[in-house]
Amino acid sequence: EAAVTQSPRNKVAVTGGKVTLSCNQTNNHNNMYWYRQDTGHGLRLIHYSYGAGSTEKGDIPDGYKASRPSQENFSLILELATPSQTSVYFCASGAGLGGYEQYFGPGTRLTVL
Amino acid sequence: QQQVRQSPQSLTVWEGETAILNCSYEDSTFNYFPWYQQFPGEGPALLISISSVSDKKEDGRFTIFFNKREKKLSLHITDSQPGDSATYFCAAHASSSFSKLVFGQGTSLSVVP
Repeated sequence: EAAVTQSPRNKVAVTGGKVTLSCNQTNNHNNMYWYRQDTGHGLRLIHYSYGAGSTEKGDIPDGYKASRPSQENFSLILELATPSQTSVYFCASGAGLGGYEQYFGPGTRLTVL
Repeated sequence: QQQVRQSPQSLTVWEGETAILNCSYEDSTFNYFPWYQQFPGEGPALLISISSVSDKKEDGRFTIFFNKREKKLSLHITDSQPGDSATYFCAAHASSSFSKLVFGQGTSLSVVP
């Protein structure tokens, strides 16, 4: 069974619209992460969380918000989507506390028209 | 800014050959280096990792060689198989960054039968 799941898997949004990407993990990991993947850039960290109720800015947080309402769930929110946010988004979980491995979900392909 | 660089950007080898993927970094505080394997349409999956106290880590056909003085590491895939065709990401953890990983831009490997 997949331990990190994402929904939706594909999303088409309009410029200026609100988009919410959801992530659920059953690893009971403290840490969760949101990345975007673009050709030539690898994986870039947008937001991350150390546990329920916490969110931290990553390397490219502008235009994105995050929410961690529970240990299992972590959402990425685009309040006003722009075409430059067209990308593939990955959620990951990690144990933290010195455990550096991260486990990734299958990704969400977002297209902003 | 912390950076991890990978070369080549793409690599093609024949089945049975050894593929060598290179990675270099700048930040001397990096102490843990995981390699991730990603197939099209999937999320990255942890393949093999090494800490900065070791100079070699082997797991089946996959071996990491680490040169701390030169800040370089490489992933060797011996007896390459078509099923190894994927994108490989080198990542690094800094002792000061508490569970954050910095990813390289990836190497796309094709193994030709």
